[in-house]
Amino acid sequence: KAGVTQTPRYLIKTRGQQVTLSCSPISGHRSVSWYQQTPGQGLQFLFEYFSETQRNKGNFPGRFSGRQFSNSRSEMNVSTLELGDSALYLCASSLGWTGSGNSPLHFGNGTRLTVT
Amino acid sequence: GDSVTQMEGPVTLSEEAFLTINCTYTATGYPSLFWYVQYPGEGLQLLLKATKADDKGSNKGFEATYRKETTSFHLEKGSVQVSDSAVYFCALSDGSSGGYQKVTFGTGTKLQVIP
Repeated sequence: KAGVTQTPRYLIKTRGQQVTLSCSPISGHRSVSWYQQTPGQGLQFLFEYFSETQRNKGNFPGRFSGRQFSNSRSEMNVSTLELGDSALYLCASSLGWTGSGNSPLHFGNGTRLTVT
Repeated sequence: GDSVTQMEGPVTLSEEAFLTINCTYTATGYPSLFWYVQYPGEGLQLLLKATKADDKGSNKGFEATYRKETTSFHLEKGSVQVSDSAVYFCALSDGSSGGYQKVTFGTGTKLQVIP
């Protein structure tokens, strides 16, 4: 069974630009969550989608948005990039309710975004 | 709100040494508890889990026991190997507030095992 796939693996963007990251969950998983990982802040929850609906959202500005398609694939968009957006962005999928004891998270290898 | 506190790293051990990484939590309900591991250049992988008090999760020689009375979920391994070098994250999932499960992670503990 294929794991969670994130593309691209690396991205370099300039301040002010926008970027779209993609995540394909494990087949059959309906929940997709996004996390930002930085050395200073650790893992920060961005948002979670289930059956194309955003179900939960972290404390990030509106420049961070996402969506989920009918095949459960998800995209995350960051507009007007800032230097502080440089991070590893991780996508995780789960079968049912996000991260529950019976439905733990399965992570992709992440997209490393560098903003210059 | 929910929170997870784990010991600061990095932790450096010699091969075959005993490992303990401390983790304590605060949650409003009855959370599920997890340990995830992140190897260099990769995403996180579930290492083990426990869903109720006194449950013991175990995998690959690692184990952790859900202690409700001390709100702890310490990770242990009797004999570490160089291949165990990674960052370890303690996490909880609590759906008692608002109806939606949300996973809260600790800050991670880097383990380095030297031959």
